[in-house]
Amino acid sequence: DAKTTQPNSMESNEEEPVHLPCNHSTISGTDYIHWYRQLPSQGPEYVIHGLTSNVNNRMASLAIAEDRKSSTLILHRATLRDAAVYYCILRYTGSARQLTFGSGTQLTVLP
Amino acid sequence: EPEVTQTPSHQVTQMGQEVILRCVPISNHLYFYWYRQILGQKVEFLVSFYNNEISEKSEIFDDQFSVERPDGSNFTLKIRSTKLEDSAMYFCASSEARSGGGGNEQFFGPGTRLTVL
Repeated sequence: DAKTTQPNSMESNEEEPVHLPCNHSTISGTDYIHWYRQLPSQGPEYVIHGLTSNVNNRMASLAIAEDRKSSTLILHRATLRDAAVYYCILRYTGSARQLTFGSGTQLTVLP
Repeated sequence: EPEVTQTPSHQVTQMGQEVILRCVPISNHLYFYWYRQILGQKVEFLVSFYNNEISEKSEIFDDQFSVERPDGSNFTLKIRSTKLEDSAMYFCASSEARSGGGGNEQFFGPGTRLTVL
C-alpha cells in the first residue's frame, strides 16, 4: 500500500473547525483514501472515505486535492469527544484487505 | 446499531499458557480480522478470514496463533503458548462482502487487553 504522511499532533479549540492534513504523493489511480480514528482506550472507528470528489457524511468532510496527492479531513465543529488519533489510510479499490495503520495525528481539543 | 463485541475485556495469563480471545462480528458481515496494538505503538494487522479460511496473515501471525469460526457467530483467536511480548490490546474487526467503492469499512470491537505475566 502507498505511504501516507500526517503531522504527529494538532490542537483545536472546542466548537471550531479542524483541518487534518494527509500527504500521499505516491497514491495510485485505484487507491481510495480512508480515514479512521481511535478514541482513547477504544478500537479504531471508520470516519469517511473517498476517491476523487469531496465527500461529506454525518461525522466529517473529506477534501481531496485535484492531483490526489493530498487530502484533508474536516471536522466542522470540534467537540471534546473528537479528541483522538486520526489515521489516513490508502486502500486499493474493492479491497477487503487489511488496513495498514501509521502513527496518525493525535488531535487535542481544548475547552 | 450493530456492533462487534469482544470477550473478555481483560485477560491475564501466565507465560506459556494458552489463551482464546473471542469476538462476535456483525451478523451479516463475511470478512473478519484480528489486529493488535502494543501499548504506545501502532495498530498492527494479524490475520484476515473469509469463507472459513485465512485470506491474509502478517509476519506476526506465526504458528503460535490460530483463528477459528466455530459456529455462525463467533470468531476466535488462539495463542497456544503466550510470551511476554504478546501483551497487547487485541482488536477484532468485521466488514461486509460487497466489492468496489473503495473497499469495505471495517467495524472494530472494543478490544481485549491481554497481559502476559
